[in-house]
Amino acid sequence: QSALTQPRSVSGSPGQSVTLSCTGTSSDVGGYNYVTWYQQHPGKAPKLMIYDVSKRPSGVPDRFSGSKSGNTASLTISGLQADDEADYYCCSNAGRLPYVFGTGTKVTVL
Amino acid sequence: QVQLQQSGPGLVKPSQTLSLTCAISGDSVSSNTAAWNWIRQSPSRGLEWLGRTYYRSKWYNDYAISVKSRITVNPDTSKNQFSLQLNSVTPEDTAVYYCARDGYAVSTFDYWGQGTLVTVSS
Repeated sequence: QSALTQPRSVSGSPGQSVTLSCTGTSSDVGGYNYVTWYQQHPGKAPKLMIYDVSKRPSGVPDRFSGSKSGNTASLTISGLQADDEADYYCCSNAGRLPYVFGTGTKVTVL
Repeated sequence: QVQLQQSGPGLVKPSQTLSLTCAISGDSVSSNTAAWNWIRQSPSRGLEWLGRTYYRSKWYNDYAISVKSRITVNPDTSKNQFSLQLNSVTPEDTAVYYCARDGYAVSTFDYWGQGTLVTVSS
């Protein structure tokens, strides 16, 4: 099972919106509505930001939103803030696997 | 509030066994709704799910194909914890190892341990 493909880096200015993509196959992203997104600051454990493609756990700002089309899931961060600068990883259920992670995207706030 | 506390050595010699433990508070390793996972992260391999144990009237285990021949994840109900054993390690197994709970929703890691950097070196 190959890792899901994410762009290596994305950047934006404070207040702008950025969208991160996560591309898989029909065996993972396209086959299940169980895509999650994690934010990871340096030296810290990943933090759950989005689950079930587009749902936010309590405590996660509504500036973070998720969606999916076909084999590609997306995470949009609106109103970019300095603290949003981090690495972001997607993850999908993959049937019997049962989890496959993305390659990760570094978000830089200019 | 669920907390996961990892323990274990940070240095393992090549060909030996990597052993880590994850102590659970605020939930039970025998929960019928959670699964208990080990995940590792390295610059070369990114985040990689390794294996899990969970209880659904009986105990189940699932392992990643990449480590299936070398890995064991075991629950310890007496101490409310679970463990990772990875045999025959090589320098490629050098990584930060995390334990994590999948329990909030399907395939969702909602609580993570603090991470343990394990270096495989003689």
